[in-house]
Amino acid sequence: GQQLNQSPQSMFIQEGEDVSMNCTSSSIFNTWLWYKQDPGEGPVLLIALYKAGELTSNGRLTAQFGITRKDSFLNISASIPSDVGIYFCAGPLSGNTPLVFGKGTRLSVIA
Amino acid sequence: DAGVIQSPRHEVTEMGQEVTLRCKPISGHNSLFWYRQTMMRGLELLIYFNNNVPIDDSGMPEDRFSAKMPNASFSTLKIQPSEPRDSAVYFCASSRFGGNYGYTFGSGTRLTVV
Repeated sequence: GQQLNQSPQSMFIQEGEDVSMNCTSSSIFNTWLWYKQDPGEGPVLLIALYKAGELTSNGRLTAQFGITRKDSFLNISASIPSDVGIYFCAGPLSGNTPLVFGKGTRLSVIA
Repeated sequence: DAGVIQSPRHEVTEMGQEVTLRCKPISGHNSLFWYRQTMMRGLELLIYFNNNVPIDDSGMPEDRFSAKMPNASFSTLKIQPSEPRDSAVYFCASSRFGGNYGYTFGSGTRLTVV
């Protein structure tokens, strides 16, 4: 089935460092979303992207909708301990179909 | 707004037993989704409803799984009989149909079948 491939699978960084992660697909997506899952909780929407080339920020988070519409990137600046969690990219295969999710990037921040 | 409410948070059951997971979506949301999360397969869509009507249940792994949405404020996911491989975290999410995909997830039910 359709897959969203996220990389890296996991990363360990020092507090204060910047973080970059990405999501790619073999198919075109018209919407890209980034979610974060804290331990023991459900995913929470961070950023939504609706247009190729779009760059959107939410505090220290910045996400971009790739111009090919087959990828998206999430950057976190000046990481802090509460950034720990799993970051998922997601998108609908078409129209109003439900979201499919990548397998996530697990972020650990070392204080 | 209380968010999406799932119960129970944790369930431990013996193989062969029936398990029922419950979900109360956000009032005014007319789409409801059941996802399953495992380390191996990540988040998988099991079934979703629009306006209480099941639209696509192709993600339901076997006939042992069934889901209902008798009204706009309640849904259940039932596994009968349960098997150890059903152990996972089950999430319910809701959204406005045709909206911007801003799904709101519940906190999940962690199911362990022994």
